[in-house]
Amino acid sequence: GQNIDQPTEMTATEGAIVQINCTYQTSGFNGLFWYQQHAGEAPTFLSYNVLDGLEEKGRFSSFLSRSKGYSYLLLKELQMKDSASYLCAVNNQGGKLIFGQGTELSVKP
Amino acid sequence: GAVVSQHPSWVICKSGTSVKIECRSLDFQATTMFWYRQFPKQSLMLMATSNEGSKATYEQGVEKDKFLINHASLTLSTLTVTSAHPEDSSFYICSARNSARSVTKNIQYFGAGTRLSVL
Repeated sequence: GQNIDQPTEMTATEGAIVQINCTYQTSGFNGLFWYQQHAGEAPTFLSYNVLDGLEEKGRFSSFLSRSKGYSYLLLKELQMKDSASYLCAVNNQGGKLIFGQGTELSVKP
Repeated sequence: GAVVSQHPSWVICKSGTSVKIECRSLDFQATTMFWYRQFPKQSLMLMATSNEGSKATYEQGVEKDKFLINHASLTLSTLTVTSAHPEDSSFYICSARNSARSVTKNIQYFGAGTRLSVL
């Protein structure tokens, strides 16, 4: 089967660092994505990992370990506007995106 | 950047009517587009893959006669919800891949979504 697990919700403080984990088991692997989705809006692309290692883009970084079926999204210097749902998605061999249930992040002052 | 436009953003219709949703890639060509459905507090569920010039591929459990997909050009795919009923009320989102760029060809860019309410 295909399974993507991530925590349902997390809370963090403004200015802090938060790490959102994602584990996956899918039929084939052709890259892992992180998207940000604010309530009532469409997902926006954050990062794409296809090889092992860390990809850094400003305040956001994403890590991938294919052998462990594991990824994380790291958000630094949290801002109130970072409160959103963060979706982990795997591109399987069929070219389809399989989404996790999303992690609802609440940033508190 | 890669921009995907989806229209309308919000629609209310009576039960039994049909609703058409358009998805356009504005600054790139997309041989493949995807249609998702999202219920409140849930993640995106793929409904179908739309291929330019050929029939769409539907996921298991999605009625192809209920959700008609047409991908007539490299920049436009449409989803028509036929004979809509209240249980079809949901947030429908399309996405597109930039076929021409090899480095980022797997990245899906999403439209703003269409909130459908069937009375």
